[in-house]
Amino acid sequence: SAVISQKPSRDICQRGTSLTIQCQVDSQVTMMFWYRQQPGQSLTLIATANQGSEATYESGFVIDKFPISRPNLTFSTLTVSNMSPEDSSIYLCSVRTRDTGELFFGEGSRLTVL
Amino acid sequence: AQSVAQPEDQVNVAEGNPLTVKCTYSVSGNPYLFWYVQYPNRGLQFLLKYITGDNLVKGSYGFEAEFNKSQTSFHLKKPSALVSDSALYFCAVSLGGNFNKFYFGSGTKLNVKP
Repeated sequence: SAVISQKPSRDICQRGTSLTIQCQVDSQVTMMFWYRQQPGQSLTLIATANQGSEATYESGFVIDKFPISRPNLTFSTLTVSNMSPEDSSIYLCSVRTRDTGELFFGEGSRLTVL
Repeated sequence: AQSVAQPEDQVNVAEGNPLTVKCTYSVSGNPYLFWYVQYPNRGLQFLLKYITGDNLVKGSYGFEAEFNKSQTSFHLKKPSALVSDSALYFCAVSLGGNFNKFYFGSGTKLNVKP
């Protein structure tokens, strides 16, 4: 398994500002992902964070809005840029280890944009 | 297109009674199936998975699930529900060896009443 720490756990932000979420894993992992969970809804994959290269974004998500970094195998950041109330969601970091198929999730970062 | 359906938004059951949370899937290829649980203000926790082998898989907290290929289902079950099982449950599928792409169902809220 993997232990994933995310911060901040929650924040209240003003419209037009940006916020960076950090994800730290306690072991080197192959794959890291960022998901969004809008209120009362399921999980939507934003992007795969690639170590040493640009993230791979899913349809509907773009780098200008959600820039992602992954400088090493245990750390990644997701920035939510120029926020609007529609960005109010839980953002979840997820990893897959080399020897298992399941995903492990962080506790999530709950963002409220006013 | 790949998809996962959880037909019930909510399931209510009395403590001590058996519970079932339903999941059906539609994928092209061999499905790998997962169940996750989310407690309030928490990330997702892995419960169990089906990759291959025995169709009945057992997981954490006394939960089990049965893979039924003909009905394309993977229902989550527990013989005797606990109040502490009350949470949001997500079914997910990934394709064959491509564990990078997970598709999540819409979630089912389980309410276990004393």
